[in-house]
Amino acid sequence: DTAVSQTPKYLVTQMGNDKSIKCEQNLGHDTMYWYKQDSKKFLKIMFSYNNKELIINETVPNRFSPKSPDKAHLNLHINSLELGDSAVYFCASSQDRAGRNEQFFGPGTRLTVL
Amino acid sequence: GNSVTQMEGPVTLSEEAFLTINCTYTATGYPSLFWYVQYPGEGLQLLLKATKADDKGSNKGFEATYRKETTSFHLEKGSVQVSDSAVYFCALSDFNTGKLIFGQGTTLQVKP
Repeated sequence: DTAVSQTPKYLVTQMGNDKSIKCEQNLGHDTMYWYKQDSKKFLKIMFSYNNKELIINETVPNRFSPKSPDKAHLNLHINSLELGDSAVYFCASSQDRAGRNEQFFGPGTRLTVL
Repeated sequence: GNSVTQMEGPVTLSEEAFLTINCTYTATGYPSLFWYVQYPGEGLQLLLKATKADDKGSNKGFEATYRKETTSFHLEKGSVQVSDSAVYFCALSDFNTGKLIFGQGTTLQVKP
C-alpha cells in the first residue's frame, strides 16, 4: 500500500488555467506538507497543516491555496497558472509537527505550464 | 534565519570508493538533522537522522554525526555502489513546526 500518494503524476496545462493536485496519506499522521522542487532540484516548503489547521504558510503567491478536508488529505489548488509555476510538487506527512519526526514523501507531481 | 549548505555536485566516484558529502547548517535552537535521498523519478526517502548533538545516524552503510561545535552533519559511506547513484539532500527541521529546510542537493554518480 502506498503511504503517501499524489495525483496526477504529470500535469501539462496552459498559462492562465486553474488546476489542482491531490494528496492522500494512509499512515494516520497528523501533519502534512507541500514542497516545491525547482528545475535545479532545490526544495522549499510551501504549506503545512496539522490536524486540518494551517501552521505554515511561506511566502507563496495567493494563487496557491491548500485545502485539507480531513487530516488524511491535503490538496493544492493553483489559480491563473504562470510559466514560473512549472516544477515538481511533493506532498509529505509526518506523525506530528515535532521537528524530530521523519517526513514521508509522495512520488511528486510534475507540473508543466506552457 | 535557518539555512543548510551542501557541497556542490555532481560527485562522480568509482564503485567501492569512499564517499563524503559535506553539510553545514545555521540554526537557532536545537534542530534535528536529516539526510534524504532522491532516486531518479522518485520522491524523497529518509536515509538517516540525528536529533541531538553527538548523535550518529546510520543506515545502509551511510553514516553522519551531528557536530554542534562545527555545525556540521557530513554524510559518509566507506564503499559506494552503482545503486547509490542519486541526489542527496541534507536538511534541518524546525523544532516546533517540523518544517524542513533543505540544502541544495548533491548529485552522486557511481560508475562501475
